[in-house]
Amino acid sequence: QVQLQESGPGLVKPSQTLSLTCTVSGGSISSGGYYWSWIRQHPGKGLEWIGYIYNSESTYYNPSLKSRITISVDTSKNQFSLNLSSVTAADTAVYYCARVESMAGRHFDYWGQGTLVTVSS
Amino acid sequence: ENVLTQSPGTLSLSPGETATLSCRASQSVSSSYIAWYQQKPGQAPRLLIYAAFNRATGIPDRFRGSGSGTDFTLTISRLKPEDFAVYYCQQYGSTPLLTFGGGTKVEIK
Repeated sequence: QVQLQESGPGLVKPSQTLSLTCTVSGGSISSGGYYWSWIRQHPGKGLEWIGYIYNSESTYYNPSLKSRITISVDTSKNQFSLNLSSVTAADTAVYYCARVESMAGRHFDYWGQGTLVTVSS
Repeated sequence: ENVLTQSPGTLSLSPGETATLSCRASQSVSSSYIAWYQQKPGQAPRLLIYAAFNRATGIPDRFRGSGSGTDFTLTISRLKPEDFAVYYCQQYGSTPLLTFGGGTKVEIK
């Protein structure tokens, strides 16, 4: 059973960089056919896809956030990470990591529990 | 951008009834790239349906996905208390590559 777990600071100051890590267990992050993604949910709102990484180095980002995002993979630790720069209060959200199944569509089949990140001074 | 519009925003039903949730795309979507999720308060979304009509592992057959082109539907038959939640559709295809609908809340009447 694949499991994902987000970790990182729950509070980030405005203009700083939000950094989160997702640890994958129960499967290898290097396995073919899967993309590794970040999604966020503003308080009381819907879901927003942030971006994903596959083949350890290929990335696709949401154009609305592209200039501020970096997603990377550490295969030795079976982890992938999100860096979101120049944060503002509008980046306050629950951040989820998830696996994208790419062989029978493009859908999120496993999710982390989510971590709330608040941007505030 | 392919905008997904879910309707209704809120559906008030009683246990045992049938819920019909709509997801309309502004541009045609391949059926292979439509999915549905259930989210309960304080929890991550859970995959219900992928490729428009395939149930994810462990999802009961009370959940049925259908549709094509720009119109997709999630039907939940014989609603159980644990089915009351928010449901999202999701598409893959046009920029941005992955988008979600705004959600439909199924609440107890």
